[in-house]
Amino acid sequence: EIVLTQSPNFQSVTPKEKVTITCRASQSIGSRLHWYQQKPDQSPKLLIKYASQSFSGVPSRFSGSGSGTDFTLTINSLEAEDAATYYCHQSNTLPGTFGQGTKVEIK
Amino acid sequence: QLQLQESGPGLVKPSETLSLTCTVSGDSISSVTHYWAWIRQPPGKRLEWIGSIFYSGSTYYNPSLKSRVNISIDTSKNQFSLQLSSVTAADTAVYFCARQFLREAFEYWGQGTLVTVSS
Repeated sequence: EIVLTQSPNFQSVTPKEKVTITCRASQSIGSRLHWYQQKPDQSPKLLIKYASQSFSGVPSRFSGSGSGTDFTLTINSLEAEDAATYYCHQSNTLPGTFGQGTKVEIK
Repeated sequence: QLQLQESGPGLVKPSETLSLTCTVSGDSISSVTHYWAWIRQPPGKRLEWIGSIFYSGSTYYNPSLKSRVNISIDTSKNQFSLQLSSVTAADTAVYFCARQFLREAFEYWGQGTLVTVSS
């Protein structure tokens, strides 16, 4: 089973600041890495698929990059509504697995 | 607009079978480009994929749960269902259903339903 490790676990950020979250896979997964946003008491929402492709309706301040084992989710100019926990997910190898999550708090 | 809605008991006794149904509206469950998935999130833990089903009935499951899981689909009702047998407290979680592009990303999720395993 592929283990996804995110860093940091928690980040406190001021509005308009840039946020960078990383996800490292225990073995190569190509570009089959996806990012989700989960706000409190809500279900996850897909932000980025295949490492760098924005999903429909997602604001342009969210972007993704990486391939192989190292991936990054970037939020440019953080807004208050971006307070959430962010998860990465790999679909390259069964079973699909998720990272432990990165909680982003607004200062 | 695509919507997924989970339904089923919120409390299940240990050793019994957990049963949930996901009703899909705004899209046909007979799509040839999508699977339909179950994912769970135990309190304070990471998300865990349980299994997925295609409209044809073809399934694939997480090996860690495979011996206890059955996912079925009813295209006439635009629903798919989860059964998890021999549950223990470790199966207490919020259970989500989701639409999955092929076997890849989970594009849309239901709101989730909390299932507690307790006597």
